[in-house]
Amino acid sequence: AQRVTQPEKLLSVFKGAPVELKCNYSYSGSPELFWYVQYSRQRLQLLLRHISRESIKGFTADLNKGETSFHLKKPFAQEEDSAMYYCALSASSSNTGKLIFGQGTTLQVKP
Amino acid sequence: DAEITQSPRHKITETGRQVTLACHQTWNHNNMFWYRQDLGHGLRLIHYSYGVQDTNKGEVSDGYSVSRSNTEDLPLTLESAASSQTSVYFCASSDSGGGSNEQFFGPGTRLTVL
Repeated sequence: AQRVTQPEKLLSVFKGAPVELKCNYSYSGSPELFWYVQYSRQRLQLLLRHISRESIKGFTADLNKGETSFHLKKPFAQEEDSAMYYCALSASSSNTGKLIFGQGTTLQVKP
Repeated sequence: DAEITQSPRHKITETGRQVTLACHQTWNHNNMFWYRQDLGHGLRLIHYSYGVQDTNKGEVSDGYSVSRSNTEDLPLTLESAASSQTSVYFCASSDSGGGSNEQFFGPGTRLTVL
């Protein structure tokens, strides 16, 4: 079964510290993975996806198929990064559009 | 610009009442989804649709229904609201032929059932 696990409900760091939000997935095929961000009381918005291999707002994420992980990283956290972050998985081969979301990690960046 | 909207943004209702939450998208996407967001559970899929007249149950569909009479709209109906359905509801849409399963989300509806 497809599953996404975000082991940390809350991650609290100081401004300027490195950040790593963990995401592990369970899927036997070739996955499509996303990170979505939700700022306070706003809609979810796409932060990045692994097929683009891009860096958005200083965040990067690398798909590690051996470890079935897609951790989100940023070398220097900013206060404006405080938000809820969701990792999501899709079975890319099926093109059904369905996403499986993790439980989310709240990132709190302290001044 | 294309967008996805939800109404109302906030709703307070009483147990047992029927409630309908609206979702409207102008992306011309075939795929539409309804999620509920609860602390400790993240986003859970309620219902989804791949096109007009198509509807499918998600993992938490009990007590909810949807209908898809056109491409733009997927209203979510709570047949008889229960306190356990107090939540934030998000609608999303995606392009069925885009090569990516990226979803675009609405602003959410905060529903309180008293």
